[in-house]
Amino acid sequence: GAVVSQHPSRVICKSGTSVKIECRSLDFQATTMFWYRQFPKQSLMLMATSNEGSKATYEQGVEKDKFLINHASLTLSTLTVTSAHPEDSSFYICSASGGGMETQYFGPGTRLLVL
Amino acid sequence: GENVEQHPSTLSVQEGDSAVIKCTYSDSASNYFPWYKQELGKGPQLIIDIRSNVGEKKDQRIAVTLNKTAKHFSLHITETQPEDSAVYFCAASFGAGSYQLTFGKGTKLSVIP
Repeated sequence: GAVVSQHPSRVICKSGTSVKIECRSLDFQATTMFWYRQFPKQSLMLMATSNEGSKATYEQGVEKDKFLINHASLTLSTLTVTSAHPEDSSFYICSASGGGMETQYFGPGTRLLVL
Repeated sequence: GENVEQHPSTLSVQEGDSAVIKCTYSDSASNYFPWYKQELGKGPQLIIDIRSNVGEKKDQRIAVTLNKTAKHFSLHITETQPEDSAVYFCAASFGAGSYQLTFGKGTKLSVIP
């Protein structure tokens, strides 16, 4: 149980375009989803926390107009990187928790490369 | 806010030996401590977790110990195998509220056949 999927697994886009990443909890209802960014050989950096049906809470320094997060259902959250630039290239990972439990289950990650 | 320190940053062991990774946390209110294993190019995988009302937890070759007084917790892997090679992250959270995790910087474990 506790499977989280992400799509796409990798994406290459041109600078200035927008990219949408989907995160799904496959076998449980995720009341809370988290979005992280990870640079090579570094730890996970929390970008935002989203609760189903509510606006996401962004960490300090994360531009909410650039990284749009939607958590419209208990099984789906999306991260849209708007007007992507090369410095947005990174590994984006989502996690999900539910049922009042604090355990976070992570997706497999999405590798974004902006040319 | 919470701060989690993790040591060592790299660890090499011979196959069959034990590996120990240690973490300390700063917020005495933290009460949930998971450990994740991350293989190259993949998302972190939960391998074991412990809550503050327990001092030790074991799952086959993996064990975690928690010392609330000293605010540190450790991951123990016995009889290491080459497939244990990965980056391991410890984390801490205060269970009530948003359940946000604060991660350590990670330990790259290499198990030498």
